[in-house]
Amino acid sequence: ETGVTQTPRHLVMGMTNKKSLKCEQHLGHNAMYWYKQSAKKPLELMFVYSLEERVENNSVPSRFSPECPNSSHLFLHLHTLQPEDSALYLCASSQRRGPLNYGYTFGSGTRLTVV
Amino acid sequence: GDSVTQMEGPVTLSEEAFLTINCTYTATGYPSLFWYVQYPGEGLQLLLKATKADDKGSNKGFEATYRKETTSFHLEKGSVQVSDSAVYFCALSDDGSGNTGKLIFGQGTTLQVKP
Repeated sequence: ETGVTQTPRHLVMGMTNKKSLKCEQHLGHNAMYWYKQSAKKPLELMFVYSLEERVENNSVPSRFSPECPNSSHLFLHLHTLQPEDSALYLCASSQRRGPLNYGYTFGSGTRLTVV
Repeated sequence: GDSVTQMEGPVTLSEEAFLTINCTYTATGYPSLFWYVQYPGEGLQLLLKATKADDKGSNKGFEATYRKETTSFHLEKGSVQVSDSAVYFCALSDDGSGNTGKLIFGQGTTLQVKP
């Protein structure tokens, strides 16, 4: 048990579908992140939430919409995706104190396939 | 901006061989450095870290030394096992560049250990 739980583990969706990825952390951390992992590419940071406020959005297309209702939960809402959005989506959390981060913990990821 | 460069994979070794995975970084400040490991079908797990120059991180027989003069953080293990087969990611934390303190990853190096 990593302390960060992502659901679902696998998701296949059509380009016209709407779906959501869920991330939940039980570590008492105050920052949460979405990363995208594509084959043969570095992990790409998509969004950062600190104390439930979005503090970073790395030029992610609007078809990805994050939501952080509280410090334990993070969602990624998906709509009208493209096949190139197929990837492993990883959630992480950390404890931030000022500019420093402690104890980054990752979930197991959601393997997304867009057909 | 800050970046991390890892050696291209895959790295294929026989059991009990010596392992080195090279990692170099570019950063404007004084980052913390990390190695993460991703086993098949799982998320990333922290393997070891170093927070300042000349620090040596170690865990499960793996070691890496923070070399500021060569901006490197190479991962080593004296005798690999089949169970070490995984993808290894070098990362830095840009603690000093703002309020996000996000992790920046290299592209990952796949290690395959054969019996």
